[in-house]
Amino acid sequence: SAVISQKPSRDICQRGTSLTIQCQVDSQVTMMFWYRQQPGQSLTLIATANQGSEATYESGFVIDKFPISRPNLTFSTLTVSNMSPEDSSIYLCSVSSRVSGNTIYFGEGSWLTVV
Amino acid sequence: AQKVTQAQTEISVVEKEDVTLDCVYETRDTTYYLFWYKQPPSGELVFLIRRNSFDEQNEISGRYSWNFQKSTSSFNFTITASQVVDSAVYFCALRGAGNTPLVFGKGTRLSVIA
Repeated sequence: SAVISQKPSRDICQRGTSLTIQCQVDSQVTMMFWYRQQPGQSLTLIATANQGSEATYESGFVIDKFPISRPNLTFSTLTVSNMSPEDSSIYLCSVSSRVSGNTIYFGEGSWLTVV
Repeated sequence: AQKVTQAQTEISVVEKEDVTLDCVYETRDTTYYLFWYKQPPSGELVFLIRRNSFDEQNEISGRYSWNFQKSTSSFNFTITASQVVDSAVYFCALRGAGNTPLVFGKGTRLSVIA
């Protein structure tokens, strides 16, 4: 399985600010997916990030609010912009690769609290 | 469209009891993959199992077992002799063919009481 590191693991953010979450994988992966999990809820896909192309966003999520970068096959970032308390969630990076087959593995998650 | 339904929101059992978590899915894909993940209070998502649509063999791993039935579109998860450390939220998820993302059920919160 892939080893996925996310930073920060937790943060408390001020309303109106932006925060960038980093996702680093120990091997090259084809697909990276970013999910949001609001308190007590299931996981919702924000976007799919392919290396060398624009991320594909799900309905309800826009690039201005959640810009994503994928500069290479082992790294991606998700920025949560102009945060409000409603953005308080766990943000999870997940990956799929040829090595993992069709299994998708997750990072430890980034717990954001917006005050 | 793909959909995963976990009808049980919360389950509470006494330690050493057996417990089954239900999962029903919908998909039009002929090739698909089913998953179970465990989310302990720390928040990370731990992969438990992947089952391919063309492989209906049930699987056992220690105290865990999974029952995949295409005829009823179900992929149920049983924990035998539950332990307090099994307390977590369990998610069933579905992935179609190709490089597609996971679709999750709403999760079942399992509490095992000593």
